[in-house]
Amino acid sequence: NAGVTQTPKFQVLKTGQSMTLQCAQDMNHEYMSWYRQDPGMGLRLIHYSVGAGITDQGEVPNGYNVSRSTTEDFPLRLLSAAPSQTSVYFCASSPTAGGQTQYFGPGTRLLVL
Amino acid sequence: EDQVTQSPEALRLQEGESSSLNCSYTVSGLRGLFWYRQDPGKGPEFLFTLYSAGEEKEKERLKATLTKKESFLHITAPKPEDSATYLCAVLNRGGSEKLVFGKGTKLTVNP
Repeated sequence: NAGVTQTPKFQVLKTGQSMTLQCAQDMNHEYMSWYRQDPGMGLRLIHYSVGAGITDQGEVPNGYNVSRSTTEDFPLRLLSAAPSQTSVYFCASSPTAGGQTQYFGPGTRLLVL
Repeated sequence: EDQVTQSPEALRLQEGESSSLNCSYTVSGLRGLFWYRQDPGKGPEFLFTLYSAGEEKEKERLKATLTKKESFLHITAPKPEDSATYLCAVLNRGGSEKLVFGKGTKLTVNP
């Protein structure tokens, strides 16, 4: 198993550009989530999904969209990037919702100029 | 609102010098408390899950304990390879799947 994979590893955007951060898992996990990690702020939940077709907002959802059309994939979309979205983004998955361990991907480092 | 506070922010130890990291939490009913290790430039790596006060888990030189207000990560005779940032997170019983993280403790173990 590859576990949780994320692409790209690093991306530079200009303000106003859009992009999609990809996340995939091959463990047949129902639950997937996106976090951002900023210095001094810790990990903060952006969006999460408890299964295909179901998504919900986390702590900092503004400026981000998600969809979950398959169990394996959970892309994060930035519609109009802003410098405040410069961060490291992590995707995570767990077998189900309900307190089970979440497994994290390697992260995508995003710089918005 | 759920809150997690980790202390200290940074800790330097000599190899073999045992110590503890603290995670204090405020949550409306605890469903689970999680400890992760994060190396620079990498994603968090799962260490332990604790579900109820009094529970303990061990893995090599690490031991996690849980009370009703806090959790400790005890590191016994640490080695330089234990250097990392240790993250604590909580999940409440309210039906939400929103994992709330602390800011972490950066541990450096000098040879």
